[in-house]
Amino acid sequence: DVKVTQSSRYLVKRTGEKVFLECVQDMDHENMFWYRQDPGLGLRLIYFSYDVKMKEKGDIPEGYSVSREKKERFSLILESASTNQTSMYLCASSSSWRNSPLHFGNGTRLTVT
Amino acid sequence: DAKTTQPTSMDCAEGRAANLPCNHSTISGNEYVYWYRQIHSQGPQYIIHGLKNNETNEMASLIITEDRKSSTLILPHATLRDTAVYYCIVKLHTQGGSEKLVFGKGTKLTVNP
Repeated sequence: DVKVTQSSRYLVKRTGEKVFLECVQDMDHENMFWYRQDPGLGLRLIYFSYDVKMKEKGDIPEGYSVSREKKERFSLILESASTNQTSMYLCASSSSWRNSPLHFGNGTRLTVT
Repeated sequence: DAKTTQPTSMDCAEGRAANLPCNHSTISGNEYVYWYRQIHSQGPQYIIHGLKNNETNEMASLIITEDRKSSTLILPHATLRDTAVYYCIVKLHTQGGSEKLVFGKGTKLTVNP
């Protein structure tokens, strides 16, 4: 089974802090994604990557950056956390094979105070 | 990507089949139907996907009508652990493009003992 592991389930940070969310997948997937999920807004794509050192902006990249130095690891960085970044963050991966589904981690619930 | 319509909620007795409908009347010829589910406080879990033929795996069956305007996800013997929100998504696989999964509100399935 595909395993996508997010380093923290719950995280509380202060406004202005730099926050790192880590995600690791064990299926040698080429594609990795970061989403956030908020009530009433569904899942929104923040950033994605199709290869090591590659990154592409999603729908809501402002206030975030990403890093993919190794194929299995995709990090989401909040440069200066703000209260409106309080959310559930979901990492996903998929193979580059056509129609390959996304496999999600269990999420990190981030609270910024 | 085509829009989908699902009932807001459904109930099912434990051990019985759960049939979850989805309408996607604007689906185009090369769009796939994907089903995911999300159990409270976890990331979305991939269930199954298909184009026009019926599909079955260890989790569920997917029945797509001949005109492809609707589909039904079948959980053959629902258990209490199948209680979740089920999302039907229609999307065009865009290799090299962004994976903008639009999850919508889904169907809240409650399996009762």
